Amino acid sequence: QITLKESGPTLVKPTQTLTLTCTFSGFSLNTTGVGVGWIRQPPGKALEWVAIIYWDDDERYSPALKTRLTITKDTSKNQVVLTMTTMDPVDTATYYCAHSVGATRFDYWGQGTLVTVSS
Amino acid sequence: DIQMTQSPSSLSASIGDRVTITCRSSQSIRSFLNWYQQKPGKAPNLLIYTSSSLQTGVPSRFSGSGSGTDFTLTISSLQPEDFATYYCQQSYSTPLTFGGGTKVEIK
Repeated sequence: QITLKESGPTLVKPTQTLTLTCTFSGFSLNTTGVGVGWIRQPPGKALEWVAIIYWDDDERYSPALKTRLTITKDTSKNQVVLTMTTMDPVDTATYYCAHSVGATRFDYWGQGTLVTVSS
Repeated sequence: DIQMTQSPSSLSASIGDRVTITCRSSQSIRSFLNWYQQKPGKAPNLLIYTSSSLQTGVPSRFSGSGSGTDFTLTISSLQPEDFATYYCQQSYSTPLTFGGGTKVEIK
């Protein structure tokens, strides 16, 4: 059974750095074809893809956010960490991590974590 | 970036209705198109992948079709639990992109 869960701060101040952790079980990020992605959703708005990391350490980022993002994996801990610098109120959103198979689809999602950016 | 455009942005329908949602990509994505359902306060749920493959556990009243730039999600007979927002997403190339969503409401 595949599960994912996001963790991190619920409130960050503008200009601060956000660090979110996705802890997963039921699969390995050493398995060929597997990836873990981050997707966010501002309140009342559509989904926006943020970043993804694959089993082979390939990292892909949203061009709009690329300069602010780092995604890493720790296969021994079954975790993926997303770091986003220079947070702004427009980054207020629910952040989801999700399992990707064959780089084609997100078939398992975490419950999401709401991050509010406010002073 | 590949832009994904869904239509309509919202619709009202009755139980038992046949519902069709359209998604158009700004360039060909072959069949690399997925559909998700999202209910309020919940994470999205994968319904259809690679345009027409039904995800395990998803009811057969959901179906998808299309290739190239034009895609369709069909609900053959709308059920009470189907009232939700639906998103398409292309996985042809990064950056991965989602459509703006279609909210299906009760008439």
